[in-house]
Amino acid sequence: EDQVTQSPEALRLQEGESSSLNCSYTVSGLRGLFWYRQDPGKGPEFLFTLYSAGEEKEKERLKATLTKKESFLHITAPKPEDSATYLCAVHGDSWGKLQFGAGTQVVVTP
Amino acid sequence: GAGVSQSPRYKVAKRGQDVALRCDPISGHVSLFWYQQALGQGPEFLTYFQNEAQLDKSGLPSDRFFAERPEGSVSTLKIQRTQQEDSAVYLCASSPTRGTEAFFGQGTRLTVV
Repeated sequence: EDQVTQSPEALRLQEGESSSLNCSYTVSGLRGLFWYRQDPGKGPEFLFTLYSAGEEKEKERLKATLTKKESFLHITAPKPEDSATYLCAVHGDSWGKLQFGAGTQVVVTP
Repeated sequence: GAGVSQSPRYKVAKRGQDVALRCDPISGHVSLFWYQQALGQGPEFLTYFQNEAQLDKSGLPSDRFFAERPEGSVSTLKIQRTQQEDSAVYLCASSPTRGTEAFFGQGTRLTVV
C-alpha cells in the first residue's frame, strides 16, 4: 500500500528564515508526486507536480525537489503570507487515487 | 465555472438523517474525485470517476456511502443514516485527464449531531 509521511508536523519560522519540509514516500510505481497548500477552511491549492528523481520545480519562494524516496519543499525567505499547511501526495499504480500525507503546518511570524 | 464548486458549504445533520453533497467540477474535466478530511489530517481518498464511470470506490467507508456522476459532469456524494463519525470535511476535486494535477473545491463541512 502506498504511504506518505511528512515531517515536521509543524514549523514556526521568522520572516526571512529559510527552511525545508520533508515528504517521504513508499509507492509501487510512482506516477507523480504533488505538493499542495491548504489554508484554513479552504480546499487544497495545487502547487507542483514532480514525475522523476532529480526533477525540480520553482514558484516564487517555493522550490520542490524529488529523489527516489523523498521530496523536499524548500521555502526561501518566507513571508507571513506563506503560512499554511503544506500537503504532499503521490499517485502510485492506482491512477485514480492520490495518497496524501498528514501535512506540515507552517507559521511565519513577522 | 472558474473552479470546482461544492454545495452546501456547511451541513448539520441529525444522526440517522440522509445527506447529499454536490460537486460541480471544472468544465471539461474528465476525472473527478471525492476525499474526506478529518481535522488536522490529510485528505483520505473515497472514490474516483472517469467521466460517468466509477472506477474506484475502495475508499468508501461503508455501504452507507454512495456516489454518482450520471452524465459525466456534476457528481453527488450521498450518505445514508449519518453517524457522528461521518463528521468531516468532504472535498471534491477534478482533473483534465487521469494522472494530472487535481484541483479541489472548498469542501463541505458535515457535522452530525
